[in-house]
Order: sequence, then C-alpha cells, then structure tokens
Amino acid sequence: RKEVEQDPGPFNVPEGATVAFNCTYSNSASQSFFWYRQDCRKEPKLLMSVYSSGNEDGRFTAQLNRASQYISLLIRDSKLSDSATYLCVVNDNYGQNFVFGPGTRLSVLP
Amino acid sequence: GAVVSQHPSRVICKSGTSVKIECRSLDFQATTMFWYRQFPKQSLMLMATSNEGSKATYEQGVEKDKFLINHASLTLSTLTVTSAHPEDSSFYICSARDLGFSGGKGYTFGSGTRLTVV
Repeated sequence: RKEVEQDPGPFNVPEGATVAFNCTYSNSASQSFFWYRQDCRKEPKLLMSVYSSGNEDGRFTAQLNRASQYISLLIRDSKLSDSATYLCVVNDNYGQNFVFGPGTRLSVLP
Repeated sequence: GAVVSQHPSRVICKSGTSVKIECRSLDFQATTMFWYRQFPKQSLMLMATSNEGSKATYEQGVEKDKFLINHASLTLSTLTVTSAHPEDSSFYICSARDLGFSGGKGYTFGSGTRLTVV
C-alpha cells in the first residue's frame, strides 16, 4: 500500500461548482498534513496546512480525520484559475520528510 | 518569504554526459535541502536529503554514485546527474526549509529543472 493515496482524477467541473478531494495516508504516526498546488510543469506551492479541527481559507476548506487517516480539501465556487493538480502531503518526522501523494488533477471549465 | 533559486530551469544533454543542477536559498540558511524527481503524471519522489557539511542521505533505490549531491555551504546544494541516460529525463526539484517558519510554510521549492537526455 502506498503511503499517501489520492484519486488521480481528472475532476472536470464547471465554474462555480463545489468540488472535494480526499486523501488517505498509511502511517498512523504522521504528524502534519498539507495541501499543495502544482501547476503544469511548475514547482508545488503550499495551498494550506491541515489542522485537526479543520480550517478554512477563503473558498478552501481542509479537514483531517486522524481515526480514519484521511484528509480532505473542499473548494467552493471554483474558478478557472483553480485548475491545477492538488497534492496531499504528509509529514512524518516533525519537519524532515515530506511524502507526496500522486495528486488529483482538477480542470475547471467555463 | 523564503526563496529558493534553482538553475538551470531546462537542460538538454547528450547521453553519457553529466549535468549539474544548483539549488540556492536566497534569504535564509538551509542546513538541509531535499531533492525530488517527478516523472510525467507521477508524484514527486524524494531522492535524497542533502546535509550541509556532511554526506547526503539517499532514498532506497537511488544510486548515490549516479546522483552526486554536494552541500558545501548553508545556501547551496548541487545535484550532478552523472553519465546521464534517456531514462534520467525527468523534472528535478529541490526544496529547503527556512527554520524561521513553522510547518509547511517553512518549506520552499525551487522552480525545478526539466532534464532531457537525448
């Protein structure tokens, strides 16, 4: 089983739609969690951290379920500019090793 | 915020030659830098952890004699792909951690190097 798993997609949604991505991780000792965004042929960029209580940043909401070992990202009122690959990232050792999921590709259509 | 500069952004080389990729932290010191490789439509895979002043730590399956890492200063790590072959063609990305920030905010990625070996 892979350490971090995501549905690769693609998710094709119309502008204004709400879309949700899930991610599961295998290491129950994982300490911190993030969502990164990667545009085609570019480096990943931090979108948001994921906290146990859930957190929101504008149109983006992240949730963490430690018992089930999954993380989610919800995007509301999606924009064309949201089209990208969203990477679920799990950190196992207080800042040393990042493990990246394979990413979920999102295409927001006009 | 923290900035990591990576060069070159794109390189095409002949099979059998060596290619050096540089990763610099511009406004912070990085005792540790990470090198990743990403094949098309695949995830980033950690290749090695570069430690300033000491030997790099390589992930399982990554040949240390083929991917030479040098971290001679607190702001520079280099990855040299030796005797490159077409299967080494990939997107190589470095990242470094600015200890002035916590969690994921402290990690910054270079812009990546697209290597094509012909």
